[in-house]
Amino acid sequence: DTEVTQTPKHLVMGMTNKKSLKCEQHMGHRAMYWYKQKAKKPPELMFVYSYEKLSINESVPSRFSPECPNSSLLNLHLHALQPEDSALYLCASSHPIRSGTEAFFGQGTRLTVV
Amino acid sequence: QKEVEQNSGPLSVPEGAIASLNCTYSDRGSQSFFWYRQYSGKSPELIMFIYSNGDKEDGRFTAQLNKASQYVSLLIRDSQPSDSATYLCAVKPTGGSEKLVFGKGTKLTVNP
Repeated sequence: DTEVTQTPKHLVMGMTNKKSLKCEQHMGHRAMYWYKQKAKKPPELMFVYSYEKLSINESVPSRFSPECPNSSLLNLHLHALQPEDSALYLCASSHPIRSGTEAFFGQGTRLTVV
Repeated sequence: QKEVEQNSGPLSVPEGAIASLNCTYSDRGSQSFFWYRQYSGKSPELIMFIYSNGDKEDGRFTAQLNKASQYVSLLIRDSQPSDSATYLCAVKPTGGSEKLVFGKGTKLTVNP
């Protein structure tokens, strides 16, 4: 089983709203990632959690707030977003301690900020 | 800056032909290399990974790695229209980081 589950699949939110994206995996992976992808561009790394601790923050604006409640779950809290934040948000997971291990992506959340 | 370069394409091949996708990377110490396939509007799907110099085959897909030349490629034999997608090369650089560096992707079209 190489499944990473993301909810919701689609989200439309206003600039004053607060919403959360959720990601879950049951592969025993201890590294989890948030990526942002705009149309016709490659995925752009936002955050990495390793063993439930934030290990990489790619200078993401504070209106994006990640949370890792346990080794299987990853959330991305959204607040006061801008229309340019509209994108496909991807969660991924992998084993962190084996340098060669591959990352598996969820199906993504298509976010539209209006 | 650790970079991964791919020809953006588009690459167009006839059905049944071999499609060849290329990728170069700047971090000489990189150890792990991945190919993802992404259909329009969908998330990336891992199709191949390679860690050692040489070839790795999986069905119609062959990944080739040449660390001396800092070059990794993906060959798709007997290309099918369903292979039409964007192919992303990703590299895990040195330094013990979990970060994956992606190329910009090559758009492949297989014509029936």
